[in-house]
Amino acid sequence: AQSVTQLDSQVPVFEEAPVELRCNYSSSVSVYLFWYVQYPNQGLQLLLKYLSGSTLVKGINGFEAEFNKSQTSFHLRKPSVHISDTAEYFCAVSGDKLSFGAGTTVTVRA
Amino acid sequence: KAGVTQTPRYLIKTRGQQVTLSCSPISGHRSVSWYQQTPGQGLQFLFEYFSETQRNKGNFPGRFSGRQFSNSRSEMNVSTLELGDSALYLCASSLNRMTDTQYFGPGTRLTVL
Repeated sequence: AQSVTQLDSQVPVFEEAPVELRCNYSSSVSVYLFWYVQYPNQGLQLLLKYLSGSTLVKGINGFEAEFNKSQTSFHLRKPSVHISDTAEYFCAVSGDKLSFGAGTTVTVRA
Repeated sequence: KAGVTQTPRYLIKTRGQQVTLSCSPISGHRSVSWYQQTPGQGLQFLFEYFSETQRNKGNFPGRFSGRQFSNSRSEMNVSTLELGDSALYLCASSLNRMTDTQYFGPGTRLTVL
């Protein structure tokens, strides 16, 4: 079975500051990892995914994540956030099904 | 290309009733998955359908069921509604496998009174 733990439930950040959202996973099989974003009153949108290959994955809207097998982590980063990045972010791991973390609410302040 | 559509967007029911939610996947996508999202439990996997067959199922009671039609459209049904079934129900479609990108619909907000 696979599972995901998002270490921060809420992350407040000032506009143009960097942000890091932490995600640890556990899986007994090959790991496929995803980050999704959910804007208010909308469904989820894929930011990026790791299936294999380079451990640094670049996604949409300037986000990137690094897969670290030894630390079983897949942290999401953005060097400079905008007000429009205010949303809930979900880390997910895929095995026989897609399992989501509890989510991290990012609030960007001017 | 049109995205995943879900109908209805909002629904109010009373305890004991049943409800059917509909999901139309992106054209060409054969896999449809359903999720329940609540503030307390977060996003939980309900089931996945592929080519009209249930391929995977989450830990939900038998009151939750689904099906997929030959055109890949999917429905989920909840019978004997309970207050705790109030949630946002999300549908996602992908080409074939769970490792393919899942595209989510806007969800159906179900309120049980």
